[in-house]
Amino acid sequence: QSVLTQPPSVSAAPGQKVTISCSGSSSNIENNYLSWYQQLPGTAPKLLIYENNKRPSGIPDRFSGSKSGTSATLGITGLQTGDEADYYCGTWDSSLSAGVFGGGTKLTVL
Amino acid sequence: QLQLQESGPGLVKTSETLSLTCTVSGGSISSSSYYWGWLRQTPGKGLEWIGSVYYSGSPYYNPSLRSRVTFLVDTSKNQFSLKLSSVTAADTAVYYCARHVGGSGGYFDLWGRGTLVTVSS
Repeated sequence: QSVLTQPPSVSAAPGQKVTISCSGSSSNIENNYLSWYQQLPGTAPKLLIYENNKRPSGIPDRFSGSKSGTSATLGITGLQTGDEADYYCGTWDSSLSAGVFGGGTKLTVL
Repeated sequence: QLQLQESGPGLVKTSETLSLTCTVSGGSISSSSYYWGWLRQTPGKGLEWIGSVYYSGSPYYNPSLRSRVTFLVDTSKNQFSLKLSSVTAADTAVYYCARHVGGSGGYFDLWGRGTLVTVSS
């Protein structure tokens, strides 16, 4: 239903690495900047990555973003239990003339 | 540290108008660098961008909601507001205001805590 497609859930053990994918099209991801947001339980989304691969001040370098064509990936290394959250990708869709988001991915740190 | 805070009724009757205000503190809404946005989140539809507005006006709306949405900006109170008309149960959601960097194609770098609005008859 969402314009951008994310896996519903991913999981990994503490200390491990995980990647979350975000798939779109030429009207959104391929030709516009992508951002990633972390939403901890019961809180508002928080900017994690902007302009495909830039981290705001205060976001540790364990979090990284990349983009290739119509897909993007969020990488998290050195997983911690505090990273358990929902993660959303977002961008602009030039055909819809609207900001669009993925459906979110729930990260479980086992 | 700039902060945003949503306020407004938590319950709105079907077919009426939903009205929310976002108060910005710790900084000026009149900055030329930012737009100010409204978004909402539901379990079924996830995150949805409603629209964004510049401090001097010039709003742009999600086409799917454009016919029902109005944004207002009050720079004297450092506030911007959302009005959504003819609401239905499908408009029940947590509504967020956020600072929008870069306009279309940009990103939301600061968010309010969100406010739950329930639409019911």
